[in-house]
Amino acid sequence: SQQGEEDPQALSIQEGENATMNCSYKTSINNLQWYRQNSGRGLVHLILIRSNEREKHSGRLRVTLDTSKKSSSLLITASRAADTASYFCATDRPLQGAQKLVFGQGTRLTINP
Amino acid sequence: DVKVTQSSRYLVKRTGEKVFLECVQDMDHENMFWYRQDPGLGLRLIYFSYDVKMKEKGDIPEGYSVSREKKERFSLILESASTNQTSMYLCASSLIQPLYNYGYTFGSGTRLTVV
Repeated sequence: SQQGEEDPQALSIQEGENATMNCSYKTSINNLQWYRQNSGRGLVHLILIRSNEREKHSGRLRVTLDTSKKSSSLLITASRAADTASYFCATDRPLQGAQKLVFGQGTRLTINP
Repeated sequence: DVKVTQSSRYLVKRTGEKVFLECVQDMDHENMFWYRQDPGLGLRLIYFSYDVKMKEKGDIPEGYSVSREKKERFSLILESASTNQTSMYLCASSLIQPLYNYGYTFGSGTRLTVV
Protein backbone atom coordinates (compact mmCIF):
# COMPACT_ATOMS: atom_id res chain seq x y z
CA SER A 1 0.00 0.00 0.00
CA GLN A 2 1.23 3.47 -0.81
CA GLN A 3 2.37 5.36 2.25
CA GLY A 4 3.86 8.66 1.15
CA GLU A 5 2.03 10.75 -1.42
CA GLU A 6 3.77 13.76 -2.89
CA ASP A 7 2.09 16.91 -4.01
CA PRO A 8 2.28 18.39 -6.57
CA GLN A 9 3.07 15.69 -9.11
CA ALA A 10 4.96 18.22 -11.20
CA LEU A 11 6.39 21.66 -10.49
CA SER A 12 8.07 24.09 -12.85
CA ILE A 13 9.74 27.27 -11.57
CA GLN A 14 12.35 29.80 -12.60
CA GLU A 15 15.93 29.52 -11.49
CA GLY A 16 16.47 31.37 -8.24
CA GLU A 17 12.95 30.81 -6.96
CA ASN A 18 12.10 28.54 -4.04
CA ALA A 19 10.49 25.16 -4.61
CA THR A 20 8.18 23.53 -2.10
CA MET A 21 7.03 19.93 -2.27
CA ASN A 22 4.66 18.23 0.12
CA CYS A 23 4.26 14.69 1.32
CA SER A 24 1.39 13.10 3.20
CA TYR A 25 1.37 9.68 4.80
CA LYS A 26 -1.15 7.48 6.52
CA THR A 27 0.33 5.55 9.42
CA SER A 28 2.69 6.39 12.26
CA ILE A 29 6.36 6.54 11.39
CA ASN A 30 9.79 6.45 12.98
CA ASN A 31 11.31 8.72 10.40
CA LEU A 32 10.66 10.30 7.03
CA GLN A 33 13.26 10.67 4.33
CA TRP A 34 13.56 12.64 1.12
CA TYR A 35 15.38 11.42 -1.97
CA ARG A 36 16.27 12.92 -5.32
CA GLN A 37 16.39 11.03 -8.60
CA ASN A 38 17.94 12.42 -11.71
CA SER A 39 16.47 11.13 -14.93
CA GLY A 40 17.17 7.45 -15.46
CA ARG A 41 19.40 7.13 -12.42
CA GLY A 42 19.22 5.77 -8.90
CA LEU A 43 17.88 7.67 -5.91
CA VAL A 44 20.13 9.82 -3.76
CA HIS A 45 19.36 10.30 -0.09
CA LEU A 46 18.91 13.98 0.79
CA ILE A 47 17.73 14.23 4.36
CA LEU A 48 16.15 12.22 7.17
CA ILE A 49 13.89 13.67 9.81
CA ARG A 50 12.86 11.69 12.85
CA SER A 51 9.33 11.62 14.21
CA ASN A 52 10.33 13.70 17.24
CA GLU A 53 11.83 16.45 15.08
CA ARG A 54 9.85 19.27 13.54
CA GLU A 55 12.35 20.90 11.23
CA LYS A 56 15.72 20.14 9.75
CA HIS A 57 18.11 21.97 7.47
CA SER A 58 20.82 20.82 5.12
CA GLY A 59 22.39 23.47 2.90
CA ARG A 60 19.59 24.86 0.71
CA LEU A 61 17.17 22.19 1.89
CA ARG A 62 14.65 22.65 4.64
CA VAL A 63 12.37 19.83 5.74
CA THR A 64 9.46 20.11 8.11
CA LEU A 65 7.44 17.35 9.70
CA ASP A 66 4.00 17.62 11.24
CA THR A 67 3.12 14.27 12.76
CA SER A 68 -0.31 15.48 13.85
CA LYS A 69 -1.21 16.12 10.21
CA LYS A 70 0.93 13.26 8.94
CA SER A 71 2.64 15.53 6.49
CA SER A 72 6.06 16.80 5.54
CA SER A 73 7.40 19.44 3.23
CA LEU A 74 10.68 19.87 1.41
CA LEU A 75 11.77 23.41 0.57
CA ILE A 76 14.62 24.05 -1.83
CA THR A 77 15.75 27.64 -1.67
CA ALA A 78 17.44 29.61 -4.45
CA SER A 79 16.85 26.84 -6.97
CA ARG A 80 19.40 25.98 -9.64
CA ALA A 81 19.14 24.20 -12.96
CA ALA A 82 20.95 21.24 -11.38
CA ASP A 83 18.03 20.80 -8.97
CA THR A 84 15.91 19.56 -11.87
CA ALA A 85 14.98 16.02 -10.81
CA SER A 86 12.23 13.94 -9.25
CA TYR A 87 11.89 14.13 -5.49
CA PHE A 88 10.48 11.33 -3.37
CA CYS A 89 9.47 11.12 0.22
CA ALA A 90 9.78 7.78 1.96
CA THR A 91 8.44 6.60 5.27
CA ASP A 92 9.73 3.68 7.23
CA ARG A 93 7.80 0.62 8.17
CA PRO A 94 9.35 -1.91 10.52
CA LEU A 95 9.72 -5.34 9.04
CA GLN A 96 11.25 -8.51 10.30
CA GLY A 97 14.94 -7.76 10.69
CA ALA A 98 14.85 -4.53 8.71
CA GLN A 99 13.19 -1.22 8.28
CA LYS A 100 11.40 -0.99 5.01
CA LEU A 101 10.98 2.29 3.18
CA VAL A 102 7.75 2.96 1.35
CA PHE A 103 8.06 5.57 -1.37
CA GLY A 104 5.60 7.98 -2.82
CA GLN A 105 5.35 8.51 -6.55
CA GLY A 106 7.41 11.64 -6.50
CA THR A 107 7.30 15.25 -7.58
CA ARG A 108 8.96 16.08 -10.87
CA LEU A 109 10.72 19.43 -10.44
CA THR A 110 11.86 21.45 -13.43
CA ILE A 111 14.02 24.52 -12.96
CA ASN A 112 13.88 26.84 -15.95
CA PRO A 113 16.95 29.00 -16.65
CA ASP B 1 32.74 7.12 -0.95
CA VAL B 2 30.12 4.49 -0.29
CA LYS B 3 28.83 2.63 -3.26
CA VAL B 4 26.17 0.28 -4.48
CA THR B 5 27.04 -1.11 -7.87
CA GLN B 6 24.58 -2.74 -10.24
CA SER B 7 26.22 -4.84 -12.88
CA SER B 8 24.32 -3.54 -15.91
CA ARG B 9 22.76 -0.19 -16.77
CA TYR B 10 20.75 -1.55 -19.68
CA LEU B 11 19.71 -5.11 -20.40
CA VAL B 12 17.59 -6.64 -23.14
CA LYS B 13 16.37 -10.20 -22.68
CA ARG B 14 13.97 -12.50 -24.45
CA THR B 15 10.75 -13.85 -22.99
CA GLY B 16 11.39 -17.06 -21.08
CA GLU B 17 15.06 -16.39 -20.41
CA LYS B 18 16.48 -16.67 -16.91
CA VAL B 19 17.83 -13.27 -15.93
CA PHE B 20 20.29 -12.38 -13.18
CA LEU B 21 20.59 -8.85 -11.86
CA GLU B 22 23.60 -8.37 -9.64
CA CYS B 23 24.13 -5.82 -6.90
CA VAL B 24 27.27 -5.30 -4.82
CA GLN B 25 27.81 -2.87 -1.94
CA ASP B 26 31.08 -1.97 -0.28
CA MET B 27 29.72 -0.45 2.92
CA ASP B 28 29.33 -3.57 5.04
CA HIS B 29 25.59 -2.90 5.21
CA GLU B 30 23.39 -5.59 6.70
CA ASN B 31 20.24 -4.80 4.73
CA MET B 32 19.85 -5.00 0.99
CA PHE B 33 16.75 -4.39 -1.12
CA TRP B 34 15.45 -4.80 -4.63
CA TYR B 35 12.84 -2.38 -5.95
CA ARG B 36 11.28 -1.95 -9.33
CA GLN B 37 10.18 1.43 -10.58
CA ASP B 38 7.41 1.93 -13.11
CA PRO B 39 5.69 5.10 -14.30
CA GLY B 40 2.59 5.81 -12.29
CA LEU B 41 3.39 3.07 -9.77
CA GLY B 42 6.47 4.48 -8.08
CA LEU B 43 8.96 2.22 -6.36
CA ARG B 44 7.74 -1.16 -5.22
CA LEU B 45 9.69 -3.53 -3.02
CA ILE B 46 10.34 -6.96 -4.53
CA TYR B 47 12.57 -8.65 -1.95
CA PHE B 48 14.88 -7.70 0.84
CA SER B 49 17.55 -9.34 2.92
CA TYR B 50 18.73 -8.44 6.40
CA ASP B 51 21.55 -10.94 6.65
CA VAL B 52 23.52 -13.42 4.62
CA LYS B 53 21.32 -16.24 3.36
CA MET B 54 18.25 -14.49 4.77
CA LYS B 55 15.56 -13.20 2.45
CA GLU B 56 12.08 -11.87 2.86
CA LYS B 57 9.35 -11.15 0.33
CA GLY B 58 8.39 -7.59 -0.32
CA ASP B 59 5.17 -6.36 -1.87
CA ILE B 60 5.54 -7.89 -5.36
CA PRO B 61 7.71 -11.03 -5.16
CA GLU B 62 5.85 -13.07 -7.77
CA GLY B 63 8.06 -14.10 -10.67
CA TYR B 64 11.26 -13.23 -8.81
CA SER B 65 13.70 -14.89 -6.48
CA VAL B 66 16.85 -13.66 -4.75
CA SER B 67 20.15 -14.93 -3.49
CA ARG B 68 22.46 -13.57 -0.84
CA GLU B 69 25.43 -15.86 -0.36
CA LYS B 70 27.79 -13.09 0.73
CA LYS B 71 27.09 -9.97 2.73
CA GLU B 72 28.12 -7.62 -0.05
CA ARG B 73 26.16 -9.23 -2.90
CA PHE B 74 22.42 -9.47 -3.46
CA SER B 75 21.16 -11.00 -6.68
CA LEU B 76 17.71 -10.73 -8.19
CA ILE B 77 16.64 -13.61 -10.41
CA LEU B 78 13.87 -13.64 -12.95
CA GLU B 79 13.27 -17.34 -13.40
CA SER B 80 11.44 -16.96 -16.71
CA ALA B 81 11.36 -13.38 -17.92
CA SER B 82 8.08 -11.97 -19.14
CA THR B 83 7.26 -8.71 -20.88
CA ASN B 84 5.50 -7.37 -17.79
CA GLN B 85 8.84 -7.48 -16.01
CA THR B 86 10.18 -4.76 -18.28
CA SER B 87 11.09 -2.09 -15.76
CA MET B 88 13.80 -0.11 -13.99
CA TYR B 89 15.29 -2.22 -11.21
CA LEU B 90 16.93 -0.49 -8.27
CA CYS B 91 19.10 -2.09 -5.63
CA ALA B 92 19.66 -0.41 -2.27
CA SER B 93 21.43 -1.11 0.99
CA SER B 94 21.28 0.24 4.52
CA LEU B 95 22.51 -0.32 8.04
CA ILE B 96 20.21 -2.20 10.37
CA GLN B 97 19.06 1.07 11.89
CA PRO B 98 19.52 4.27 9.94
CA LEU B 99 22.08 6.46 11.60
CA TYR B 100 21.18 10.03 12.32
CA ASN B 101 21.34 11.28 8.78
CA TYR B 102 21.77 8.20 6.64
CA GLY B 103 19.06 6.44 4.71
CA TYR B 104 19.32 3.96 1.90
CA THR B 105 22.13 4.00 -0.60
CA PHE B 106 20.91 3.18 -4.08
CA GLY B 107 22.65 1.84 -7.11
CA SER B 108 22.29 3.55 -10.49
CA GLY B 109 19.60 1.15 -11.63
CA THR B 110 19.25 -1.45 -14.36
CA ARG B 111 16.76 -0.76 -17.10
CA LEU B 112 15.55 -4.18 -18.20
CA THR B 113 13.60 -4.69 -21.39
CA VAL B 114 12.03 -8.09 -22.05
CA VAL B 115 11.09 -8.67 -25.68
